[in-house]
Amino acid sequence: AQSVTQLGSHVSVSEGALVLLRCNYSSSVPPYLFWYVQYPNQGLQLLLKYTSAATLVKGINGFEAEFKKSETSFHLTKPSAHMSDAAEYFCAVKRGSNYKLTFGKGTLLTVNP
Amino acid sequence: SQTIHQWPATLVQPVGSPLSLECTVEGTSNPNLYWYRQAAGRGLQLLFYSVGIGQISSEVPQNLSASRPQDRQFILSSKKLLLSDSGFYLCAWSVRETQYFGPGTRLLVL
Repeated sequence: AQSVTQLGSHVSVSEGALVLLRCNYSSSVPPYLFWYVQYPNQGLQLLLKYTSAATLVKGINGFEAEFKKSETSFHLTKPSAHMSDAAEYFCAVKRGSNYKLTFGKGTLLTVNP
Repeated sequence: SQTIHQWPATLVQPVGSPLSLECTVEGTSNPNLYWYRQAAGRGLQLLFYSVGIGQISSEVPQNLSASRPQDRQFILSSKKLLLSDSGFYLCAWSVRETQYFGPGTRLLVL
């Protein structure tokens, strides 16, 4: 069965600092992996996805993630944090048929001025 | 382009009252549709998904039900709400592997 683990329920960075949000997956087949962002009282917005093409995936708002099969990881990074990046971030893996997703528990990113 | 709508945005209901939340998708045909619940500190829980009109699969047995009367309409219902039904309800659609989410409905059961 496919699953994801997000390390750190809360990450705090200073404005301008590197953002690193960690996600490890477990999958018996080549995975499809996703990162979503959720701002308060809003739905989830797709940041980026990995679907077995390039291992370095670029997304919206300056975020990128690298698929590392040997480490079963798909960490999300951004070189310089902005105040507007403060939100909750979810990693997800496709599971089974009908394109269901399994989500991690989320990481709340706080950006300090 | 595709658009997904949910209403109402916010709902306050007494315990024991019925519930109907609606989700509609525009700009695509025959999408897969999903209902999720997001409770505080508990992440996203898939409640129901549908691959076509009248075809509903339940992920978790509970006090809720879902229906898909039209290709791009997905409804979440309850006959009698419980306090534990409070949460943020999200509808999503997909045609392949990527799911796209609606704005959500905040439900508070008192």
